[in-house]
Amino acid sequence: NAGVMQNPRHLVRRRGQEARLRCSPMKGHSHVYWYRQLPEEGLKFMVYLQKENIIDESGMPKERFSAEFPKEGPSILRIQQVVRGDSAAYFCASSPKGSVQETQYFGPGTRLLVL
Amino acid sequence: GENVEQHPSTLSVQEGDSAVIKCTYSDSASNYFPWYKQELGKRPQLIIDIRSNVGEKKDQRIAVTLNKTAKHFSLHITETQPEDSAVYFCAALNQAGTALIFGKGTTLSVSS
Repeated sequence: NAGVMQNPRHLVRRRGQEARLRCSPMKGHSHVYWYRQLPEEGLKFMVYLQKENIIDESGMPKERFSAEFPKEGPSILRIQQVVRGDSAAYFCASSPKGSVQETQYFGPGTRLLVL
Repeated sequence: GENVEQHPSTLSVQEGDSAVIKCTYSDSASNYFPWYKQELGKRPQLIIDIRSNVGEKKDQRIAVTLNKTAKHFSLHITETQPEDSAVYFCAALNQAGTALIFGKGTTLSVSS
């Protein structure tokens, strides 16, 4: 039973480029969450999506960041015109129902480095 | 907004000792509290969770207690082993049920 998958695992971008991070939830899971982790800090919630819908994006920066979870294919977190402060580990998690008290299972993360 | 405070930030114990990590949360409507273990460069892995309808839950050497009145919950690890060394994060589900609010983590070091 494959777990949550993310790719790429490592991504290097120069300032001003775009970064696309992909997340495939566990089989049977239709709810995806994105979190950002800065070095030696906890995880910060960014966005929660169901298939084709953004449910809660209260943690997403207002500019340059967007997320989608299409009917087919993985969820995508897109960062336009990256800056050095975007360097972090980005984790996605999935849950089967997305209702309260459902366990979230995390992927291995994408480590983004902006030069 | 919702906030989770976690203490201590670092904890060093001898193998075989117990370790306790404490968290407090601000949103009285929170009703789900998971604990994650994260080894260096790895994903956070759920080790135990507790829901608001119980006060304590145990799984082998790991236990979690919840005090809803005081809005705090704790992780207890008994008979620690070197492989328990990692960063441990507590979290609380927000009122809307859409996001986990994490503490800043506790780096546990178990020396043999």
